[in-house]
Amino acid sequence: QQQVKQSPQSLIVQKGGIPIINCAYENTAFDYFPWYQQFPGKGPALLIAIRPDVSEKKEGRFTISFNKSAKQFSLHIMDSQPGDSATYFCAAKNTGNQFYFGTGTSLTVIP
Amino acid sequence: DAGVTQSPTHLIKTRGQQVTLRCSPKSGHDTVSWYQQALGQGPQFIFQYYEEEERQRGNFPDRFSGHQFPNYSSELNVNALLLGDSALYLCASSLARGAGQPQHFGDGTRLSIL
Repeated sequence: QQQVKQSPQSLIVQKGGIPIINCAYENTAFDYFPWYQQFPGKGPALLIAIRPDVSEKKEGRFTISFNKSAKQFSLHIMDSQPGDSATYFCAAKNTGNQFYFGTGTSLTVIP
Repeated sequence: DAGVTQSPTHLIKTRGQQVTLRCSPKSGHDTVSWYQQALGQGPQFIFQYYEEEERQRGNFPDRFSGHQFPNYSSELNVNALLLGDSALYLCASSLARGAGQPQHFGDGTRLSIL
């Protein structure tokens, strides 16, 4: 059973657009929600993360919106650039420090 | 500040063989987790080591085993390799103490089973 559900599977936007990637979870024991960016041949790199007591967090061009009651969170990439083309994963951590990952979103930013 | 390092980067084995993958955590980190990432999928948690003991385990058979050394480095061992074990194996390190401690990943070992 997929603990974290991620959508869409793939996304194509024009340069300067704002891609939005969504994730949903069921386990209310999750206490930390990171987003990772992965380029081909590389491991996932931590982008930004949020705790459930915060509704929004912004770091540079990346913003996480968190809706605790709906058990959903999303990643927004402002002013997207071709260099942002990568696969993005959401994740959730339980109190036992075990991380569950979404299935990934392949983002393509067209120049 | 060295990040998470994994070796080897690529490995080719045949069915039935055994393999050992190695990981050195980021400086200052004491917890190591291992993940299996199949092509086009998200990482799947295998297990986590802290204080040289397995603390958490995902839904993987006991053909998958590990070890953590006093310097916090870790090994992943897989016995009786199957074709389905072909994947990218990722190591991630973190600090055990405190909630919300981020995990940092290495670039993985690409394991191919023939």
